[in-house]
Amino acid sequence: DAGITQSPRHKVTETGTPVTLRCHQTENHRYMYWYRQDPGHGLRLIHYSYGVKDTDKGEVSDGYSVSRSKTEDFLLTLESATSSQTSVYFCATGTSGGENIQYFGAGTRLSVL
Amino acid sequence: KQEVTQIPAALSVPEGENLVLNCSFTDSAIYNLQWFRQDPGKGLTSLLLIQSSQREQTSGRLNASLDKSSGRSTLYIAASQPGDSATYLCAVSGGGADGLTFGKGTHLIIQP
Repeated sequence: DAGITQSPRHKVTETGTPVTLRCHQTENHRYMYWYRQDPGHGLRLIHYSYGVKDTDKGEVSDGYSVSRSKTEDFLLTLESATSSQTSVYFCATGTSGGENIQYFGAGTRLSVL
Repeated sequence: KQEVTQIPAALSVPEGENLVLNCSFTDSAIYNLQWFRQDPGKGLTSLLLIQSSQREQTSGRLNASLDKSSGRSTLYIAASQPGDSATYLCAVSGGGADGLTFGKGTHLIIQP
C-alpha cells in the first residue's frame, strides 16, 4: 500500500467553524486528490493538485479550499463548515506518467452539527 | 460530463458461484479504468487497472475487461468466497492529473 496518512480520522465540529484535514504521503507521488463519499452519490472529486502549489477544482469544490506547500502534504480546509459537508473524506495520490494508478487513504469521517 | 453507472447496485450469491459486475461510462475518451474494493468503514483498495489500449487484465480469481468503444467494463469473479463480500467500485480517468469519476458501486454479499 502507498503510504498515505489522513488526520484526523474522525472529527465532530459545529456549523460555522473552520476545519482542516491533512493528507500526508511518503511515496513522492506527484498528484494528490481530495474526494468526498456520500450515500447515493458515491465518491466525488473536490480538489486536486498536480504539483507543489499547483491545484485545481473538482466537481464539488464550493466551500472548500486546498493548499500544497510540499510534495508530501495536501491540506483540505472548510472555511466555515456546514451540515451539508458532513461526509467521509478520502485523500488519494497518483503517479505522473505510466499507468497513473490512484492510491487511497483510510478516510476521515467528519460530522458537522 | 462523464457519468459512470454500475449494475447491479447489490448482489447476493452463494459461495462458489462465478459472477459478473458491470460498469458503463458515457464518454469513451478515457485514459484508464480502475476497479476498487471497499470494505465497510475502510478506504479503497485498487484491484485492477486497464489502460484504454488494453482489452483485459487478470489478477488471481479476478478478470476485468474493457470495451472502450461501447463504454463498458466487466469485473468477473471466479469461485466466489465469503471474503469477497464488499462494495466494488468502478472509476474512469481522463488522463494526466485528472481525478477519477466513480460509479456508485455494487454491494456484493457472498453467502457461506
